[in-house]
Amino acid sequence: AQTVTQSQPEMSVQEAETVTLSCTYDTSESNYYLFWYKQPPSRQMILVIRQEAYKQQNATENRFSVNFQKAAKSFSLKISDSQLGDTAMYFCALQGAQKLVFGQGTRLTINP
Amino acid sequence: DSGVTQTPKHLITATGQRVTLRCSPRSGDLSVYWYQQSLDQGLQFLIQYYNGEERAKGNILERFSAQQFPDLHSELNLSSLELGDSALYFCASSVGQGAMNTEAFFGQGTRLTVV
Repeated sequence: AQTVTQSQPEMSVQEAETVTLSCTYDTSESNYYLFWYKQPPSRQMILVIRQEAYKQQNATENRFSVNFQKAAKSFSLKISDSQLGDTAMYFCALQGAQKLVFGQGTRLTINP
Repeated sequence: DSGVTQTPKHLITATGQRVTLRCSPRSGDLSVYWYQQSLDQGLQFLIQYYNGEERAKGNILERFSAQQFPDLHSELNLSSLELGDSALYFCASSVGQGAMNTEAFFGQGTRLTVV
């Protein structure tokens, strides 16, 4: 079975600060993808960043980067120079051979 | 715009009724996923289809059913509705299935309210 766990229900930081969201997962598969999706108040699901499990190099997309620790089954998201527009729910997700499974989400608030 | 179209955007219906939610995937995408998101909750995986065939099932209630048609659009049927079925229902599509996927694209969701 595939499971994704996000242990931080809510986080809050000041604008321009750096914040890290945690995610752990469990799967018996060797080939999979990991994702972070953002859900702003509009409720639209927006892909933030993806990581192939077979790649050791951590993915980076502008201010967003991940720390992928395969042995520990950990996949954290770091947001640098946070902006007010980063306020949203953030979901960690695991794509295995069959299912795309999501964590429960972390509500991130960026304060001015 | 993700290219995934869900209709209707909003739906209000009474308990005990049946509704059908529709999803048109992005052009070229063969996989369709359905998710349920209750208020302030995560996305619960319901079911996945690939090129017309059911490929994976999550915690989908027996009152719920889905199918993917030859033109690749999908419908999620919810019957004998209960108040607890009120939620945002998302459809997502992707080119392939499983670990071949690099991204799933989400529709805007259908907001179902059962009164």
